[in-house]
Amino acid sequence: GENVEQHPSTLSVQEGDSAVIKCTYSDSASNYFPWYKQELGKGPQLIIDIRSNVGEKKDQRIAVTLNKTAKHFSLHITETQPEDSAVYFCAASGIGSSNTGKLIFGQGTTLQVKP
Amino acid sequence: GAGVSQSPSNKVTEKGKDVELRCDPISGHTALYWYRQSLGQGLEFLIYFQGNSAPDKSGLPSDRFSAERTGGSVSTLTIQRTQQEDSAVYLCASSLESLAGGGQYFGPGTRLLVL
Repeated sequence: GENVEQHPSTLSVQEGDSAVIKCTYSDSASNYFPWYKQELGKGPQLIIDIRSNVGEKKDQRIAVTLNKTAKHFSLHITETQPEDSAVYFCAASGIGSSNTGKLIFGQGTTLQVKP
Repeated sequence: GAGVSQSPSNKVTEKGKDVELRCDPISGHTALYWYRQSLGQGLEFLIYFQGNSAPDKSGLPSDRFSAERTGGSVSTLTIQRTQQEDSAVYLCASSLESLAGGGQYFGPGTRLLVL
């Protein structure tokens, strides 16, 4: 079935450094790839998304790249700040025959930004 | 504007009891999704609603789980005869459209503990 693999599971960086989180997906029909940030005790927050007709999208310090041929996409955070510390989830929209838009999530990356 | 709301925020119940979890989506969002997040795990899709109908129930783990949506708005997830393995955070998300590419916005979740 549909599967999304996410790496690394934990990532520790110094404040000001960049952080990169990578995901691969199995369903070649997937065409929507959101990223979520989840802080302790809260629901996931949509921070950026990309559709399959675009190779890269940027929003201030965060950017996402997509390689449809290789079926992987990445989240890039530049100039990291302590408030970026959280769990980040990638997801892919598993279209299938029902086209429901349900999301298949990666296992999450715990990002720690050290001051 | 108001985001997705869920109630209760926390629920402790005894094994064998029934529980009801409520989700109030963003006004005007026709698509509604339920996900489950077990401790330290990613998010697992449960069920999808478009309006009041549920075209995709493929993620419900057993027949003890059911959900309904009335008036195209509020949804209730019911777990009958709860088991300890049902302990998790139950998250609801809503989207303006169901087709892949519509951003899903999550509520804060209901933390369920089955003793």
